[in-house]
Amino acid sequence: AQSVTQLGSHVSVSEGALVLLRCNYSSSVPPYLFWYVQYPNQGLQLLLKYTTGATLVKGINGFEAEFKKSETSFHLTKPSAHMSDAAEYFCAVSPRDDKIIFGKGTRLHILP
Amino acid sequence: DTGVSQNPRHKITKRGQNVTFRCDPISEHNRLYWYRQTLGQGPEFLTYFQNEAQLEKSRLLSDRFSAERPKGSFSTLEIQRTEQGDSAMYLCASSPSTAQGIMGQYFGPGTRLTVT
Repeated sequence: AQSVTQLGSHVSVSEGALVLLRCNYSSSVPPYLFWYVQYPNQGLQLLLKYTTGATLVKGINGFEAEFKKSETSFHLTKPSAHMSDAAEYFCAVSPRDDKIIFGKGTRLHILP
Repeated sequence: DTGVSQNPRHKITKRGQNVTFRCDPISEHNRLYWYRQTLGQGPEFLTYFQNEAQLEKSRLLSDRFSAERPKGSFSTLEIQRTEQGDSAMYLCASSPSTAQGIMGQYFGPGTRLTVT
C-alpha cells in the first residue's frame, strides 16, 4: 500500500529564511510524487510534480523538491520565504496516475 | 480554460436529508475525481471516472454515496440520509488523458457540507 508521511504539522520560518518541508513516502511501485498548496478557503493548487527523469524538480513560486529513492523522500524547499507562502502544503503519491494519496499536511507560518 | 468549478460552495443540511453536489471539470479533461477532506487531514480519495466510466470506488464510499458522470462531462455526487460524520469539504479534481504525460490533478474550490 502507498502512504505519505509529512514530518511536522506546523512549521514556522522567518521571512527570508529557508523553507524546508519534509515528506517521506512508501510505494510498492515507482511512484509519481506531488506537492500541492492550499490557501484558506481555496482548493488545492499543484506546486510541482515528479514523474520520471531529473530528480530535482522545480515548481511555481520558487519552490523545488528532490526525489531521493534511497531515502524514499521528496522534501520541498524554497531558498527565501515570503509572507505570501503562508499556507497548508500537502505531499502526495500516486502509484499509477489515478487516485492520489495525500499526507496530512504541513501548515507553514511565516514570521515577520 | 476556466478551471474546475463546484456548486454549491457551501451546503448546510439536517441529518437524514439528501444532498447533491455538482462538479464541472476543465473541458478537455477526461478524468474526474472526488475527494473528501476533513479538518486537519489531507484529502481522501472517494472515486474517479474516465469519461463516463466509474473506474474505482474507495471503501470510504458507503452505499449512501453515489456518483455519476452521465455524458463524460460534469459529475454529481449524491449523499443520501446524511449523517453528522459526512460533514467535510468535498473536492473535485480533473486531469487530462495520460497520453499527454502525467499532468497531475487540478482541483476545484470544494463544497463544504455541514450536517446539523
